[in-house]
Amino acid sequence: SQQGEEDPQALSIQEGENATMNCSYKTSINNLQWYRQNSGRGLVHLILIRSNEREKHSGRLRVTLDTSKKSSSLLITASRAADTASYFCAPLAYSGAGSYQLTFGKGTKLSVIP
Amino acid sequence: KAGVTQTPRYLIKTRGQQVTLSCSPISGHRSVSWYQQTPGQGLQFLFEYFSETQRNKGNFPGRFSGRQFSNSRSEMNVSTLELGDSALYLCASSTGLPGPQFAFEQYFGPGTRLTVT
Repeated sequence: SQQGEEDPQALSIQEGENATMNCSYKTSINNLQWYRQNSGRGLVHLILIRSNEREKHSGRLRVTLDTSKKSSSLLITASRAADTASYFCAPLAYSGAGSYQLTFGKGTKLSVIP
Repeated sequence: KAGVTQTPRYLIKTRGQQVTLSCSPISGHRSVSWYQQTPGQGLQFLFEYFSETQRNKGNFPGRFSGRQFSNSRSEMNVSTLELGDSALYLCASSTGLPGPQFAFEQYFGPGTRLTVT
């Protein structure tokens, strides 16, 4: 399966600290995406990094991708209580017959304590 | 632009019944994907429709089916409901256009919370 696997499963930090989440996957990908989900609601797309990119920034988010290790990391700097959510990585890979599939891991549950 | 909408938001059904969920994508998006989210299994891909054709399918039994209309709206149907079908069902839309810049960023709706008793 191409499913991304996030690590750690849960993370608790103080407001103002940085949070780092890791993701591993198994085969070649087209791109890798990160999403956030607030409790019991829909997912929100955060950032996408293509397979030929190594690092990408968006506001307080920094994503890295190492295709040789089949891994990615998401760094949230200067965290805020509002960052409390579950974070999912989703590798996009070719699934045959001209189609691609985005598969999600079980997520990292981040708690930011005020 | 209006976001992805899903109806109904909450649903309670009895085992053995069937259910139909609806999803309206962002205007201009031709791809609609469906996902099932449960605490134990996480977020699992059900199927994707693009221009009224099922383009991709996950590993779910035939009781789960879907369709897409010419206006890109999509419905998902689950027949003969089982207790294990209780979940949050998420719909997501994307431009879905193939090509060298293909990205497939998903825009999710708020979900339909299905409870089977």
